[in-house]
Amino acid sequence: DAGITQSPRHKVTETGTPVTLRCHQTENHRYMYWYRQDPGHGLRLIHYSYGVKDTDKGEVSDGYSVSRSKTEDFLLTLESATSSQTSVYFCATAVGTGTNEQFFGPGTRLTVL
Amino acid sequence: RKEVEQDPGPFNVPEGATVAFNCTYSNSASQSFFWYRQDCRKEPKLLMSVYSSGNEDGRFTAQLNRASQYISLLIRDSKLSDSATYLCVVPGKGGGFKTIFGAGTRLFVKA
Repeated sequence: DAGITQSPRHKVTETGTPVTLRCHQTENHRYMYWYRQDPGHGLRLIHYSYGVKDTDKGEVSDGYSVSRSKTEDFLLTLESATSSQTSVYFCATAVGTGTNEQFFGPGTRLTVL
Repeated sequence: RKEVEQDPGPFNVPEGATVAFNCTYSNSASQSFFWYRQDCRKEPKLLMSVYSSGNEDGRFTAQLNRASQYISLLIRDSKLSDSATYLCVVPGKGGGFKTIFGAGTRLFVKA
């Protein structure tokens, strides 16, 4: 498995506060993704990156921004957290050539009160 | 039509049973398909890729039907340890490496 870590693993915050989640990989994979997973919706793509400083929106990008200044790090920021952003957030990576098989991090459980 | 749809289940089967899941997709240009397994409160993990010619790995068989735009996963001789949620994955519209995950099918294998 690709070495993918996420931090923090759990976070409780209040509505209106900014939150940043970090994804770190040691496999030098080109592609990185942020998903959220909610009951009944499965995994939904928030943003993804296809290289350093190259990012694109997914299907549920409103209220989220991302940055990738290094190959190994992909940050997800909630500028002003809302209760609807309470979810489990997964980071994933893909090599970027041939198959787009993705490897997932352990997830971050975020609760916005 | 949704980009990808799965029967959410749950499927409750006894040990040793054969069970099959389908996943329909709408993007006819899709090329790469996958099945992932997700255990409760864990991250998804790749189970197998789905090739045009079909793909078999032990008790698991994945097939692609392009004409009807669905992929399938067959599990033979179910084990208790197969209990999990199975997610299908199809490429997103617009190409690149965007992917769309199905909402998952829950499987419970009982003794």
